[in-house]
Amino acid sequence: KNEVEQSPQNLTAQEEEFITINCSYSVGISALHWLQQHPGGGIVSLFMLSSGKKKHGRLIATINIQEKHSSLHITASHPRDSAVYICAVMNRDDKIIFGKGTRLHILP
Amino acid sequence: EAGVAQSPRYKIIEKRQSVAFWCNPISGHATLYWYQQILGQGPKLLIQFQNNGVVDDSQLPKDRFSAERLKGVDSTLKIQPAKLEDSAVYLCASSLYLGGGREQFFGPGTRLTVL
Repeated sequence: KNEVEQSPQNLTAQEEEFITINCSYSVGISALHWLQQHPGGGIVSLFMLSSGKKKHGRLIATINIQEKHSSLHITASHPRDSAVYICAVMNRDDKIIFGKGTRLHILP
Repeated sequence: EAGVAQSPRYKIIEKRQSVAFWCNPISGHATLYWYQQILGQGPKLLIQFQNNGVVDDSQLPKDRFSAERLKGVDSTLKIQPAKLEDSAVYLCASSLYLGGGREQFFGPGTRLTVL
């Protein structure tokens, strides 16, 4: 079993839909990252969080440390949100462990 | 603030050839990472530097891969000789320093295709 599991693996939705991507992890962590990767490979860090909730524009990230679970939400989704979203955790040894990513496709 | 720079962006080589990638981290970032991302998978750490010293290279295939960060700033990753299974995106990232869950900043990646 992977230490970081994401669901769903693939998600296709219509423009304006509310999107939720989930991440569960099995190790103790110091921080959790949500990353966005567009075709071509470049990765952009969206959030780094260790508790509670963060919001940036239409993106919201939450984390529940007790349940070892985090969610990334996108409100009013848009085709330009189409990308791979990767959950990554930093464990107690400062090693970063990546999930396999969720491929999101927003249809116009 | 300039981000992490990588070059080349794309490279196509034949198996058994050699290839080198370059990374220039964000100015002042002491920690530099090289990741390999095979299609459909999350990135895998190859090597981690703190200044010019290696912190972790446990997953680096040392028979063919090598990396250096001689002056503690930019870094090169080399593959010699390349195999078909080395086809991947090679990502470089940097963070201010090691520890404390520091945020990593990623470069655009180098997409390697081995024919």
